[in-house]
Amino acid sequence: GQNIDQPTEMTATEGAIVQINCTYQTSGFNGLFWYQQHAGEAPTFLSYNVLDGLEEKGRFSSFLSRSKGYSYLLLKELQMKDSASYLCAVRSEYSTLTFGKGTMLLVSP
Amino acid sequence: DTGVSQDPRHKITKRGQNVTFRCDPISEHNRLYWYRQTLGQGPEFLTYFQNEAQLEKSRLLSDRFSAERPKGSFSTLEIQRTEQGDSAMYLCASSSPGGANTGELFFGEGSRLTVL
Repeated sequence: GQNIDQPTEMTATEGAIVQINCTYQTSGFNGLFWYQQHAGEAPTFLSYNVLDGLEEKGRFSSFLSRSKGYSYLLLKELQMKDSASYLCAVRSEYSTLTFGKGTMLLVSP
Repeated sequence: DTGVSQDPRHKITKRGQNVTFRCDPISEHNRLYWYRQTLGQGPEFLTYFQNEAQLEKSRLLSDRFSAERPKGSFSTLEIQRTEQGDSAMYLCASSSPGGANTGELFFGEGSRLTVL
């Protein structure tokens, strides 16, 4: 089975940097993924990591340590529109993703 | 292409009734997934198709749930004898073979089910 943990809520200020952590335990591992979901909308893909290290994509970066079962999503230069739920997901050796419960990020002015 | 479309967007039904949801994936995508999401939770995997073959089903999926993808294009998810606990957003997602490797799933807007 798979177990994914991430904080339930986080708050941050516009223009700041925030790091959302995710830890996982899985019987098989074939990648870790981050999705963004605004309230009432469908999740949208942000990033994926298969190998250890940092992947950067604009204001968003994602880090993976497979030995520690740990990832984080780093959001820089926060904007109000970044207020959303951020979902950590792990893929087993098959093609399906298992999602965590999500971290609700509230960005305030 | 307008992305993954789901129908209906909202369904209210009485306990014990059957409901069916339809998903039309992005046309060139051969993989199709059904997830269920309740308030404050992440999407929960239900089942997955590659073309017309149903390759994986969640152990949480009771025998009241059945999904089909007869021609490898659109898919239907049927829930028989609905229960109040079935109330949720039912999300469909699709991916291309390359997208399946990167984990990029394209989600539809979902079908919200309310069981009274």
